[in-house]
Amino acid sequence: ELKVEQNPLFLSMQEGKNYTIYCNYSTTSDRLYWYRQDPGKSLESLFVLLSNGAVKQEGRLMASLDTKARLSTLHITAAVHDLSATYFCAVDNTGTASKLTFGTGTRLQVTL
Amino acid sequence: EPEVTQTPSHQVTQMGQEVILRCVPISNHLYFYWYRQILGQKVEFLVSFYNNEISEKSEIFDDQFSVERPDGSNFTLKIRSTKLEDSAMYFCASRENVDRGAFFGQGTRLTVV
Repeated sequence: ELKVEQNPLFLSMQEGKNYTIYCNYSTTSDRLYWYRQDPGKSLESLFVLLSNGAVKQEGRLMASLDTKARLSTLHITAAVHDLSATYFCAVDNTGTASKLTFGTGTRLQVTL
Repeated sequence: EPEVTQTPSHQVTQMGQEVILRCVPISNHLYFYWYRQILGQKVEFLVSFYNNEISEKSEIFDDQFSVERPDGSNFTLKIRSTKLEDSAMYFCASRENVDRGAFFGQGTRLTVV
């Protein structure tokens, strides 16, 4: 059974600082997704990573995928308060309908 | 921009009652999913649906749960006899193909009392 783990579970950081969220998964997959969730809201797609070595950047966020290490990272550069949210990685299970298995989530709090 | 829509946004029901949660996926999408999220916790897979049938279901998706795609647009989740522990946010999602990410609806908050 595919297991997806994120760390840290909770991250409090000051504006302007850099940090990385890690997503490890247990079985082979070359498709991984990052989502953002604001409190009480839906899941907003941030990045789609479809191959080993894939790197995507949007604003202050950059995501990468290493399928050999079964690891994805979400790097935050010069954090701002608006980035405060919960971030989930999700791994494609490569089954018949390719369900997504979600990580535990990382709650990010950016303080002023 | 096309979006997945869910109704109702919030439903309160008594334990033992049946509920139907409704979803309209994005029109050219082929894969449909239901997930749930208990407050502040992980997003849990319930069921996937492709080619007019269930592709996969989780252990949570027992005989009390069913899904239907009664016409070309709606995708419903029925819980026959709700329990207190069914209280959660239920998300519908759809994707165009397996090389694209899934798009999620705004969710239905189900409260069982």
